[in-house]
Amino acid sequence: AQTVTQSQPEMSVQEAETVTLSCTYDTSESDYYLFWYKQPPSRQMILVIRQEAYKQQNATENRFSVNFQKAAKSFSLKISDSQLGDAAMYFCAYRIKTNAGKSTFGDGTTLTVKP
Amino acid sequence: GAVVSQHPSWVICKSGTSVKIECRSLDFQATTMFWYRQFPKQSLMLMATSNEGSKATYEQGVEKDKFLINHASLTLSTLTVTSAHPEDSSFYICSAPTPWGLAGGSYNEQFFGPGTRLTVL
Repeated sequence: AQTVTQSQPEMSVQEAETVTLSCTYDTSESDYYLFWYKQPPSRQMILVIRQEAYKQQNATENRFSVNFQKAAKSFSLKISDSQLGDAAMYFCAYRIKTNAGKSTFGDGTTLTVKP
Repeated sequence: GAVVSQHPSWVICKSGTSVKIECRSLDFQATTMFWYRQFPKQSLMLMATSNEGSKATYEQGVEKDKFLINHASLTLSTLTVTSAHPEDSSFYICSAPTPWGLAGGSYNEQFFGPGTRLTVL
């Protein structure tokens, strides 16, 4: 079974600085997706960034980037120039490419942004 | 972009009653939808996969007679919590993957509903 582990229950960052959230996963599959989702206080899940396992290039979306290490099964999220609106719970998630939508989520990391 | 709605957004009910939660894909057809349960400050736990035209697939440990799922059409799935008890109080989230190719390439996006907060008194 696939598992996703987020070892940081809480993280804190100063506004305008950079923070990295960690995620490791376990799978025997070779082709899959990895995601970072943001869940603000409204609790609406928002896709932050996704990575396709067969792509070696790390995904980037504006201030958000990932460090994908397939061999190490590591998938960290870097948030640059942190903003107050980035404060939320962040979930790392895994999905087998052939399985339409069924995802496994990590336990989440609560990010606090200090002004 | 594709949107998934849930209704109601919150509900309070008495112990022993049944509650129905609807999940709709608003601008795409979803042959599959997923139901998750989330406790405060915890992860999303997959409860079941809702399949249009066939029975739902439940995850291990989820009581299928307790959580009835019906995928009535290509845009609607319902979750009914039967004989609700206080321990069923939780936040329930549905999601629906778009058809392959809708988002381009070999990727199908998964959209989440806004969630339903259930409180059983």
